[in-house]
Amino acid sequence: ETGVTQTPRHLVMGMTNKKSLKCEQHLGHNAMYWYKQSAKKPLELMFVYSLEERVENNSVPSRFSPECPNSSHLFLHLHTLQPEDSALYLCASSPMGVLSGYTFGSGTRLTVV
Amino acid sequence: AQSVTQLDSQVPVFEEAPVELRCNYSSSVSVYLFWYVQYPNQGLQLLLKYLSGSTLVESINGFEAEFNKSQTSFHLRKPSVHISDTAEYFCAVSDRGATNKLIFGTGTLLAVQP
Repeated sequence: ETGVTQTPRHLVMGMTNKKSLKCEQHLGHNAMYWYKQSAKKPLELMFVYSLEERVENNSVPSRFSPECPNSSHLFLHLHTLQPEDSALYLCASSPMGVLSGYTFGSGTRLTVV
Repeated sequence: AQSVTQLDSQVPVFEEAPVELRCNYSSSVSVYLFWYVQYPNQGLQLLLKYLSGSTLVESINGFEAEFNKSQTSFHLRKPSVHISDTAEYFCAVSDRGATNKLIFGTGTLLAVQP
C-alpha cells in the first residue's frame, strides 16, 4: 500500500447508473488529484484540489463531479457515463508543491456498459 | 504550457542487456522532471526526479536519468535489466511555479525477456 487507498478496485456500471469512486489518504498531504488513464494516451489530469478547494478542472464533462469534503478524502461522482469513459481512474496526493512528487493509489478500473 | 513526448510505446530487451527509455519535453519555463513506474494492476510509483543541481540522478534500483537542457531530454537508462523491471514507465514534467501539476507522457512499456 502506498498510503493512498482507492475503492472500489473494479466497477462495472450501466450508462444510466450513478456511482462514486472514493480516494483516501492519511499522509498529511494538502493536494489531491484525479487522473484518467486510457490505453495509448497520456494520463489526463481531470481535477486538482488544493487545501480542499478545487483549483483546476480540465474541461471535464459534467457527468464527472468531484467532491473533496476534507484534506484526506476525495470522491468522483459518476452519472450517465458513456462507454468511452471506460478507463483506469487514478487518485494521487502530494504535499503543497510538487517537489516530492505525487503518491498514487492503485486505481479504479471502470467499465461502462 | 508543458508537454512530454515518449516516442517509444514499447521497448523489448533481453535480461541483463542495457536499456534506454527516451523522454523529451517542451516548456517555455524551467521545469522539474520525473520518471514514474507502473507495475501491472498498480498505480504509479515515483522512480526518480530532477529538481536542480547534478544533471544525473539515480534511483535505488539501478536506474538513472540525465537532464539535458539543450536537448530538452530526460532519458532513463539502466546498464543491466532484470525480468522484474518489466513495467510501464512514464516521464512527467512540472513547471517551477505553484501550479502543483504534473504533465505525463504516453508511457513506454519495458518488456524484459529471458
